[in-house]
Order: sequence, then structure tokens, then C-alpha cells
Amino acid sequence: AQKVTQAQTEISVVEKEDVTLDCVYETRDTTYYLFWYKQPPSGELVFLIRRNSFDEQNEISGRYSWNFQKSTSSFNFTITASQVVDSAVYFCALSEAMNYGGSQGNLIFGKGTKLSVKP
Amino acid sequence: AAGVIQSPRHLIKEKRETATLKCYPIPRHDTVYWYQQGPGQDPQFLISFYEKMQSDKGSIPDRFSAQQFSDYHSELNMSSLELGDSALYFCASTLPWGSGSGNEQFFGPGTRLTVL
Repeated sequence: AQKVTQAQTEISVVEKEDVTLDCVYETRDTTYYLFWYKQPPSGELVFLIRRNSFDEQNEISGRYSWNFQKSTSSFNFTITASQVVDSAVYFCALSEAMNYGGSQGNLIFGKGTKLSVKP
Repeated sequence: AAGVIQSPRHLIKEKRETATLKCYPIPRHDTVYWYQQGPGQDPQFLISFYEKMQSDKGSIPDRFSAQQFSDYHSELNMSSLELGDSALYFCASTLPWGSGSGNEQFFGPGTRLTVL
């Protein structure tokens, strides 16, 4: 069975601090995708990044960076120099590449990490 | 760029009533997914449609049904509503397999259903 674990329920930091959100996943598939989504208080789900299981290259996008390690089944997310606008719930998610119905797999989300950045 | 459209954005119903949520995927997207997110919870997969056929089923109650129409829009029908059905309902869509999108699901803004 597939599972995503985000052990940190809530994190509170002061502006300009760096913060890392942890994500550990379980799957028996050899081909799968990993995602991070941001959900601000307004409620929409904002796509941040997608990684496929064959691409372990780390990625940096501005203040955001992601570390994907298959050996530890982890896909961690780091925000450098956090800002108040980063306050949100962050979800890590996993999907199989394709399901038996022929479509691409649905997302399995972790419980989310609520990040509060204080000025 | 076109996004996933959901209507209505907010809906208030009484217990035991019915509700219909609508989703219009991005043009050329062939798969539609429905998710339910309860207060303080993570989104849970309900059901998906691929080329207008039900593709996969998650934790969708028997009181709920869904379908995808010839124009690819989808509707989630909910009957005998219960207090516990109060949630944010998201629709998402994806490009066809092999398009290079890597199963990136584009989410709509959600429909917030409140059952009183």
C-alpha cells in the first residue's frame, strides 16, 4: 500500500529563518511521482513541485529547494529565509504512474505540516 | 491560461438534502479526479474518470455518485447529506499519459459545502 508520512504537524519559525519540512513515503511501485502542494488560509491547493522516481536530482527554485533520496524514501522541502507569506499548510503527496483503469494514479496526501512564520 | 472551474464555490444545505457539484477540466485534459478535504484534514481521493469512464474509486460513500459527460465536465452528486459531509471538495484534471506532464494534477479552487 502507498503511504505518505509528514511527521511534523506544526512548525513555527521567525521570519528569515530556514525551515525544512519532512516527507517520508512508502510504495511498492518502481515508477511513481512525488509532489509538494501549498494550501494557504484561503484554501486553494497550489502546486509547488513534481518529481518522478527516476530523477533524484535535487532542485532549487528561488528560496525553495527539494531533496529527494530514494535510499531513505524521503522527499524533504526546505524554505530558505522564510517570509510571513510562506505561512500555510504544506502537503507532500505520492501517486503511482498509472492505475489499472488506464489513467494516471490519484494523489495520496500526507497529513500536512502547518507552517507559521512570525514577523 | 485556462484553469479547472468548479461550481458553485460555496454551498449550504440541510441534512438529508441533495447537492450537485460541477467540475470543468482544462481543455485537452482526459482525466478528472474528485477529492474531499474535511476541516483540518488532508484531501482524500473519492473517484476518478478517464475518457468519460470511471477509472478508480477511493473512499466515496454509497450516497455519492459521479459521472463525466461527453464534453468532459464532471458532476458529483451527493444525496442524504450528513453533517460529516461538510468539507472542501476539489476537482483536479491531468493531461494524457505520455504528454510529459508526469501526472501533474491541476486543482480547481474547490467547492465549500456546509451541511446544517
